[in-house]
Amino acid sequence: SAVISQKPSRDICQRGTSLTIQCQVDSQVTMMFWYRQQPGQSLTLIATANQGSEATYESGFVIDKFPISRPNLTFSTLTVSNMSPEDSSIYLCSVRSSTDTQYFGPGTRLTVL
Amino acid sequence: RKEVEQDPGPFNVPEGATVAFNCTYSNSASQSFFWYRQDCRKEPKLLMSVYSSGNEDGRFTAQLNRASQYISLLIRDSKLSDSATYLCVVTLSGSARQLTFGSGTQLTVLP
Repeated sequence: SAVISQKPSRDICQRGTSLTIQCQVDSQVTMMFWYRQQPGQSLTLIATANQGSEATYESGFVIDKFPISRPNLTFSTLTVSNMSPEDSSIYLCSVRSSTDTQYFGPGTRLTVL
Repeated sequence: RKEVEQDPGPFNVPEGATVAFNCTYSNSASQSFFWYRQDCRKEPKLLMSVYSSGNEDGRFTAQLNRASQYISLLIRDSKLSDSATYLCVVTLSGSARQLTFGSGTQLTVLP
């Protein structure tokens, strides 16, 4: 199994600011993803983080709002830019292992005031 | 119509009861099927994959009906520790095979 850590685990931010979330995996993985889980709802895929190239965004998510970096096979960052209260959510990093099982990080709980 | 639909519950059952969750998916090209479990304020964790032939893991049985585009999860002899939200998950074919999540079914097992 893959062990995933995320930093920060939670944050409270002012509107208009940006927050960068880090995701670290204990092994090299090809596929890394970022999800959002809004209060009381299920998970929605934001983007696939591609190593060495631009992330692939899902409908409704854009690079200017959610820039993603993937410098190597064990690390990725997601930035939530120019935040508004509607961005309050849990942001989860996820990876797909060599056995095709998908694992999730513990999540970053973001509150925007 | 949502891609993956589940009865949100909540299901409140006594210990020892048998409980079944249902899930339907809209895309007939869906390739892989899973049940994930999410405890309160925790990340989702894979409970089991779902195969066309059906599969069992201890007290848990998962079944897939491709013709009806329907997935089920049966929990027998439920324990207090089974209390969680159960997420039905499907993937489409293709290299990315992103997971598509249902909204989840909340289960509370009562003493």
